[in-house]
Amino acid sequence: GAVVSQHPSRVICKSGTSVKIECRSLDFQATTMFWYRQFPKKSLMLMATSNEGSKATYEQGVEKDKFLINHASLTLSTLTVTSAHPEDSSFYICSARDSRLAGSYEQYFGPGTRLTVT
Amino acid sequence: SQQGEEDPQALSIQEGENATMNCSYKTSINNLQWYRQNSGRGLVHLILIRSNEREKHSGRLRVTLDTSKKSSSLLITASRAADTASYFCATDANDYKLSFGAGTTVTVRA
Repeated sequence: GAVVSQHPSRVICKSGTSVKIECRSLDFQATTMFWYRQFPKKSLMLMATSNEGSKATYEQGVEKDKFLINHASLTLSTLTVTSAHPEDSSFYICSARDSRLAGSYEQYFGPGTRLTVT
Repeated sequence: SQQGEEDPQALSIQEGENATMNCSYKTSINNLQWYRQNSGRGLVHLILIRSNEREKHSGRLRVTLDTSKKSSSLLITASRAADTASYFCATDANDYKLSFGAGTTVTVRA
């Protein structure tokens, strides 16, 4: 159990276009999901917290108009990178908490999406 | 923002040896978690230790937490080639947001 999927696993897009990344909890409900960004050989940086049915909360320095997050259901959050630039190239990883487990701090991570902007 | 610092940055050991890595953090935490990441893949949760716990075991893993020193260690005993990966500590200040350390890259030589 507790599987999180991401789609696509890899995407290459041209500068100026938008890319949508999906994060799904496959066998549990997640009222809260998180989006991280990871540069090569670096750690994960939290970008935003995605809340089902409400607006996402963004970490300091993350442009909310650039990285649009929608959490329309208890099993799906999407991250759209708008007007992508080469510096947006990165590995994007989502995670989710199981809403049924009150007091559980464990997060389940997706396999990541490698975005390359040319 | 990141608050974890990990030491060492890289570790190379022979199969069967133990691997120890350390994590230090700066602010108060509710819990600290260790994750493994294989190259280019997602993270796998290894173990969670709460702020009121001092030591925890899971299979070949042993985690310690010293809140007075704001540090934690992860010990992998009897390492295997399959343990080759990057290991990250992550702290949770009781808001479910994880702040990750820089990671330790472990290479286990056959």
